[in-house]
Amino acid sequence: DGGITQSPKYLFRKEGQNVTLSCEQNLNHDAMYWYRQDPGQGLRLIYYSQIVNDFQKGEIAEGYSVSREKKESFPLTVTSAQKNPTAFYLCASSIGQRGQETQYFGPGTRLLVL
Amino acid sequence: GDSVTQMEGPVTLSEEAFLTINCTYTATGYPSLFWYVQYPGEGLQLLLKATKADDKGSNKGFEATYRKETTSFHLEKGSVQVSDSAVYFCALSMNTGFQKLVFGTGTRLLVSP
Repeated sequence: DGGITQSPKYLFRKEGQNVTLSCEQNLNHDAMYWYRQDPGQGLRLIYYSQIVNDFQKGEIAEGYSVSREKKESFPLTVTSAQKNPTAFYLCASSIGQRGQETQYFGPGTRLLVL
Repeated sequence: GDSVTQMEGPVTLSEEAFLTINCTYTATGYPSLFWYVQYPGEGLQLLLKATKADDKGSNKGFEATYRKETTSFHLEKGSVQVSDSAVYFCALSMNTGFQKLVFGTGTRLLVSP
């Protein structure tokens, strides 16, 4: 089955620690995205990538980093500089980057701070 | 900038009741419009979409019509089920340049038997 997988489902971070969230897709999509969801709020874009080896900051990129070395993978690192990392993180992909194309979402990773 | 406004929830209904969730948007051009649904603890699933004015998106008994004159994309269903309980997000994306989805804050729907 084609789709997007995210791991782990739950992740715990200690103070001063960097953690990496995995996102893999086998849909052969060019574009991938990371969103953050906080309770009672809509999704906010952290980073996006239109092609391999290229990525751009979204509206809340501070304290996060990404890489796009392979078409199917777009890992997100939450660094110690992100002071309020507790949230639900969603990865998405789309076949291209035009507006009418659908973004498909993974099941999400919930990050909690110890 | 571009934005989406949804009615605040929760919306509480009995099974088989009629559902409307209001969504209006502000955009500088002509966006594509989407409804996504999120079940507890899960990611978002596309429910339906419309890419131009007067288009009607439909899926699983849900419908929404792209109304340019009122800048609206209200979600409707004639008879809700308990299994429809979820959070519904309205979103827009401009049709030129990079596809950046702009989401509303979500509306929680609770359906009781």
